[in-house]
Amino acid sequence: AAGVIQSPRHLIKEKRETATLKCYPIPRHDTVYWYQQGPGQDPQFLISFYEKMQSDKGSIPDRFSAQQFSDYHSELNMSSLELGDSALYFCASSRLRDREAGELFFGEGSRLTVL
Amino acid sequence: DQQVKQNSPSLSVQEGRISILNCDYTNSMFDYFLWYKKYPAEGPTFLISISSIKDKNEDGRFTVFLNKSAKHLSLHIVPSQPGDSAVYFCAASESGGYQKVTFGIGTKLQVIP
Repeated sequence: AAGVIQSPRHLIKEKRETATLKCYPIPRHDTVYWYQQGPGQDPQFLISFYEKMQSDKGSIPDRFSAQQFSDYHSELNMSSLELGDSALYFCASSRLRDREAGELFFGEGSRLTVL
Repeated sequence: DQQVKQNSPSLSVQEGRISILNCDYTNSMFDYFLWYKKYPAEGPTFLISISSIKDKNEDGRFTVFLNKSAKHLSLHIVPSQPGDSAVYFCAASESGGYQKVTFGIGTKLQVIP
């Protein structure tokens, strides 16, 4: 079965550079979530989209932006990168109306390293 | 502000014995609780869940217990197997709205053969 696809899997950037992460949800899933997991930390909710509209916002820095496109894929754009942005970024998707609350399907994550 | 807390960063259990992973939460609005399992280099995968209207949910070797008054839940794995070695995240959600999931920091379980 198709899973959530994230790209790139690994990304190395310099401080103050820009990075873009992509997420391709499971077909027919209508909701996409982005999470950030720093070293030794819990996954922190950043932002979510339902039917291409932002549905919820968490601890996402102003330097970050995200959107969901007409084909339901989502991109997380990170500008003016800081060392503290080094983390594993997970994307998850679900189909809101026919699932129990919280059953998300996660991608394998994109590891961002800021030097 | 940690709304979901897993106070044990790691746990080692002998194969065949019971593994008990604990979790506490602070947000009274949470009404759905989940456990996710994560292997290295993979994303978290959903394991088992429980609604706040129940106090126990069982799925094969995995049982989740919920104590609402204590705002505490636990995951029991019986019998534990080496393949269960992974990081287990406790998570919680509100069933209304867009159902974002709040995670704990995780407990690394090692099952020793």
